[in-house]
Amino acid sequence: GIQVEQSPPDLILQEGANSTLRCNFSDSVNNLQWFHQNPWGQLINLFYIPSGTKQNGRLSATTVATERYSLLYISSSQTTDSGVYFCAVLYSSASKIIFGSGTRLSIRP
Amino acid sequence: KAGVTQTPRYLIKTRGQQVTLSCSPISGHRSVSWYQQTPGQGLQFLFEYFSETQRNKGNFPGRFSGRQFSNSRSEMNVSTLELGDSALYLCASSSNVQNTEAFFGQGTRLTVV
Repeated sequence: GIQVEQSPPDLILQEGANSTLRCNFSDSVNNLQWFHQNPWGQLINLFYIPSGTKQNGRLSATTVATERYSLLYISSSQTTDSGVYFCAVLYSSASKIIFGSGTRLSIRP
Repeated sequence: KAGVTQTPRYLIKTRGQQVTLSCSPISGHRSVSWYQQTPGQGLQFLFEYFSETQRNKGNFPGRFSGRQFSNSRSEMNVSTLELGDSALYLCASSSNVQNTEAFFGQGTRLTVV
């Protein structure tokens, strides 16, 4: 089955720093999303980005489908950005979302 | 419009009991899928329903089952609970999970004692 790998697994930064999270996937996908899991467990939608580039405030994402990877950029990090970031993909005719193992981001004041 | 609603939010059950979790999708969404999140296994797919039909099922024992009603609300049931079933259960709602954005509920945190 399709594999989704996220890196790095853990990232500790000072407030104000920039970060790049990476998601590699092993097969062609027709759906890719980035989520932020809040402390209560809910998955918050960040981007729906099967291909191309999108920006939302301090966050932006790029997916290069032909090379099977996606990047999530966080600029000027704030402590509220802390948490786990998940990349999730869906491919072909499957009806399930496959998650990466996540990147745990810790922003220190 | 209202988001995805999962009930209950928290649940404590005893080994051997059964439990039913509920998920009400976003109005107009016909696809509901369920995921189990544990510290050791991450987020794993349980099953997906579209218009009352199960289209895909993950690699879980038969104790895990689900259904979807005509109003798209879905329930999942776990029978004969085991300690290892303690987890956060999340449901996702989408127009059609195969090619549209999915939105998640707040989850149900199940503790089996």
